[in-house]
Amino acid sequence: EADIYQTPRYLVIGTGKKITLECSQTMGHDKMYWYQQDPGMELHLIHYSYGVNSTEKGDLSSESTVSRIRTEHFPLTLESARPSHTSQYLCASGDRDSYTFGSGTRLTVV
Amino acid sequence: AQSVTQLDSHVSVSEGTPVLLRCNYSSSYSPSLFWYVQHPNKGLQLLLKYTSAATLVKGINGFEAEFKKSETSFHLTKPSAHMSDAAEYFCVVSEGGGGTSYGKLTFGQGTILTVHP
Repeated sequence: EADIYQTPRYLVIGTGKKITLECSQTMGHDKMYWYQQDPGMELHLIHYSYGVNSTEKGDLSSESTVSRIRTEHFPLTLESARPSHTSQYLCASGDRDSYTFGSGTRLTVV
Repeated sequence: AQSVTQLDSHVSVSEGTPVLLRCNYSSSYSPSLFWYVQHPNKGLQLLLKYTSAATLVKGINGFEAEFKKSETSFHLTKPSAHMSDAAEYFCVVSEGGGGTSYGKLTFGQGTILTVHP
């Protein structure tokens, strides 16, 4: 049974639409992360959070935004989707020594 | 700042032969190191982790890795490859306390392992 949930699993959407990718975890972890991964490529950190009301930009610049109003929830929003946003987005939570990854959202913007 | 370099983008072995996936890291503070595996269209699965205890770490599915501070390496090995080992493998570093990167996971570029019958 998964402890971290990402929805939707797949999303195909038109250019200019606003989208929110959901990520929830049931482990009470303070730290949560969003990674972007293109096919066959490494994962790049785009956002992270150390707890409620904490959000930081990651190593890779992204036009997306995140919020952390509740410990268990870390949604990622794109205000206006573009084809360049087509990618897989992975959410993770954890502490220094233990991390759990979601199954990812594969986003295609047409 | 922390970084990870996986020295081989592709590794190809025959079933039953040893596997070696190489990883070098840099970190300003005492790091934790991980190996994750990603099968096609599947999520990331933790193989093993080093967290400043024993330098030789044993993981799942017969994999192990040795932390060598003098060489800043954390290579992943398996004595005998199985067809089911074919996947992409990521070496990951998490920086220790005191640094600005504390708790952040930095991924290597990934190594695709192919296993031939």
